Amino acid sequence: AQSVTQPDIHITVSEGASLELRCNYSYGATPYLFWYVQSPGQGLQLLLKYFSGDTLVQGIKGFEAEFKRSQSSFNLRKPSVHWSDAAEYFCAVGARNYGQNFVFGPGTRLSVLP
Amino acid sequence: SQTIHQWPATLVQPVGSPLSLECTVEGTSNPNLYWYRQAAGRGLQLLFYSVGIGQISSEVPQNLSASRPQDRQFILSSKKLLLSDSGFYLCAWSVQWGYEQYFGPGTRLTVT
Repeated sequence: AQSVTQPDIHITVSEGASLELRCNYSYGATPYLFWYVQSPGQGLQLLLKYFSGDTLVQGIKGFEAEFKRSQSSFNLRKPSVHWSDAAEYFCAVGARNYGQNFVFGPGTRLSVLP
Repeated sequence: SQTIHQWPATLVQPVGSPLSLECTVEGTSNPNLYWYRQAAGRGLQLLFYSVGIGQISSEVPQNLSASRPQDRQFILSSKKLLLSDSGFYLCAWSVQWGYEQYFGPGTRLTVT
């Protein structure tokens, strides 16, 4: 079964600083990979996804992520963080085979200092 | 475009009372549907999923049940709520298994 780890429970960055959120996965083949963001009391919003092809994917709100097969990682990055980026971020793995479920990581809470 | 609705947005129910949460999707056909629960400060726990009308798979044994009476309608129910049922319930849909899931706004359930 696939699994997802997000090593950082909570990260604090200053507004305007760069950001990298880590995600590592375990899966027997190339998975579908996703990043979601959740503001307090709201549902999850899809930031970006990776299915195949170019390993650097661009998403909404200025985010990008890079798939590194050798490291089983899919880290999320943003060059300059805005105060409105403060939220919870979830990495997820979607299995290509029916019967293996979509798995979310535990989440990383991002705080932004003014 | 597709949209997903959940209601109610918030709910406060006493222990032992019944529960019915509803989720509907617009703008797509035959979606895969999912119910998740998110406890305070915790990640997402998949409760049920459905790949078609009347087809429900349960991930976690509990006192909750799900039904899919129509193609784009997914209902989460309980006959008797427990304190441990409190949480944030999220409905989601996807066009194909394993593909990205799109989430509704959620229902905040407090069992007192």
